[in-house]
Amino acid sequence: GQNIDQPTEMTATEGAIVQINCTYQTSGFNGLFWYQQHAGEAPTFLSYNVLDGLEEKGRFSSFLSRSKGYSYLLLKELQMKDSASYLCAVLDSNYQLIWGAGTKLIIKP
Amino acid sequence: GAVVSQHPSRVICKSGTSVKIECRSLDFQATTMFWYRQFPKQSLMLMATSNEGSKATYEQGVEKDKFLINHASLTLSTLTVTSAHPEDSSFYICSARDAQGHTEAFFGQGTRLTVV
Repeated sequence: GQNIDQPTEMTATEGAIVQINCTYQTSGFNGLFWYQQHAGEAPTFLSYNVLDGLEEKGRFSSFLSRSKGYSYLLLKELQMKDSASYLCAVLDSNYQLIWGAGTKLIIKP
Repeated sequence: GAVVSQHPSRVICKSGTSVKIECRSLDFQATTMFWYRQFPKQSLMLMATSNEGSKATYEQGVEKDKFLINHASLTLSTLTVTSAHPEDSSFYICSARDAQGHTEAFFGQGTRLTVV
């Protein structure tokens, strides 16, 4: 079956760095997405990786290793507004998005 | 990014009535639209995929006669929850993919449905 694993919840301090990991097992791979979702709102796009390596976009970076079925989202200089759920999703061979359950990130002052 | 507008954002309806949710792509043509349901503290669950001008493809366990999907144009898809029951109360989200086949999916704002 298809499976995406990410931690249920993480806590970090304002101004610090946090890394949210995602491992996946899917039928085929056409890219991995990270989305941010605030409570009661729809997800918003953060990043897309299809090749191995690190993609940096401001305070957020995303890393992919296809051989290991592994990705992480790195958030630097954390701000209180970064408190949200972070969803990892993989596009499988049928171009269907397979979603992880999301990681709830709690930022403390 | 492209804009997807979903309406209404919140709706409360009586048990047994029907509710229609609209999803519009405002600045691009959406050949494919996806409808998701999300229960509290859970991930997105794909309900169905609709392609413009053809019947929607429903995921296993989703009743197509209860959740009617229409994708009549390249900019509009609708989800109608028929004979709603309290257990249908959920957060419904649409997303759209453009005609160029860009793999990023753009999400609507979501609709919070409460059936009383």
